[in-house]
Amino acid sequence: EDQVTQSPEALRLQEGESSSLNCSYTVSGLRGLFWYRQDPGKGPEFLFTLYSAGEEKEKERLKATLTKKESFLHITAPKPEDSATYLCAVQAGNAGGTSYGKLTFGQGTILTVHP
Amino acid sequence: KAGVTQTPRYLIKTRGQQVTLSCSPISGHRSVSWYQQTPGQGLQFLFEYFSETQRNKGNFPGRFSGRQFSNSRSEMNVSTLELGDSALYLCASSLDFRVSDTQYFGPGTRLTVL
Repeated sequence: EDQVTQSPEALRLQEGESSSLNCSYTVSGLRGLFWYRQDPGKGPEFLFTLYSAGEEKEKERLKATLTKKESFLHITAPKPEDSATYLCAVQAGNAGGTSYGKLTFGQGTILTVHP
Repeated sequence: KAGVTQTPRYLIKTRGQQVTLSCSPISGHRSVSWYQQTPGQGLQFLFEYFSETQRNKGNFPGRFSGRQFSNSRSEMNVSTLELGDSALYLCASSLDFRVSDTQYFGPGTRLTVL
């Protein structure tokens, strides 16, 4: 069974204090790993898709990296508006169709950035 | 380009009733997935539709069902509502999997069962 574990559960940072969020996964053949941001009462907002170990993607203050067992979301010089829950999800390789449209999510990391 | 839309945004029902939620995907997207989000269980996959066919289903009871129309719009139905069905129901759309698996989520429907 596919599993995703995110750590820490919650992270409090001062504005400008860089840090990383971790996503460890177990999946039968990784088809893709996805990072989302979710604000309270809203749907998840897509950030990145990573497909293979060694891949990196950046967007503004965020950088996502992928290894064979985990992914990191690095936040550089965060601002208060970066406060949100960050979700990691995996999609397994197509095994008889059982992976169609199915993302397995971690419980998320609640990030709070204080001014 | 308009994003994924879901209606209604909020619903209050009583136990035993049934409910239908609607989802309109991003224009051109043919795959629609549904998820249930609760504080205790997080985001859990319900089912996925592509070209009006259910291709995948999560571990939910048969009270949860869905369908997809020829214009890719989708509905999900929950019959005989239970208190535990209170949750945020999220719809996500994606292009044909042969192009991209990235799913884009709607704002969700908040269902409260009393």
